[in-house]
Amino acid sequence: AQKITQTQPGMFVQEKEAVTLDCTYDTSDQSYGLFWYKQPSSGEMIFLIYQGSYDEQNATEGRYSLNFQKARKSANLVISASQLGDSAMYFCAMREGHSGGGADGLTFGKGTHLIIQP
Amino acid sequence: EADIYQTPRYLVIGTGKKITLECSQTMGHDKMYWYQQDPGMELHLIHYSYGVNSTEKGDLSSESTVSRIRTEHFPLTLESARPSHTSQYLCASSESGTTASYQETQYFGPGTRLLVL
Repeated sequence: AQKITQTQPGMFVQEKEAVTLDCTYDTSDQSYGLFWYKQPSSGEMIFLIYQGSYDEQNATEGRYSLNFQKARKSANLVISASQLGDSAMYFCAMREGHSGGGADGLTFGKGTHLIIQP
Repeated sequence: EADIYQTPRYLVIGTGKKITLECSQTMGHDKMYWYQQDPGMELHLIHYSYGVNSTEKGDLSSESTVSRIRTEHFPLTLESARPSHTSQYLCASSESGTTASYQETQYFGPGTRLLVL
């Protein structure tokens, strides 16, 4: 089963509008972290925001915020006032606390290709 | 700001050649990782290391090998490249400390795009 699901393969958004990128996750661990990364066409992965499973407040970093709904296992990224430079692939990722073992790294979703239109 | 470097950025090579992808970080991070990403797809963990002389296999089986002789250096080697190895390879690092491992942010290098003919 997919551990990270991003249901939007692509999105077109008008400049200056807010955009929400969906992410749902599946884990039996109580301890886990959720991350969002941005990947421009140049290929590097840029860290945007982090939310821990025990964090009661939604994470915010500048124009980025994370809408964390633990009961729904949802961690949507919200970008306010979108800019042309926000056009990129966006990946949701999870790192589990490994109560059940397994490789110690990030598990990524398939990504959403966001295009900001002028 | 992450200081993690990968060379080469692009590599086109013939089948059967031995290649080494370099990854270095200047942040003193003890944990390092290699991910493989096919075009338009998600990243998959292929190797990771907790520190010097530590190497582990990731979720995705890979014919590549890694070594960790120095904290700052985590090279990946393919003994005999094949067209199926064509992909982007991304190196990352994170700092372990007082936080739990699931809280550690991984910082990525710019990636190496490998094309095997």
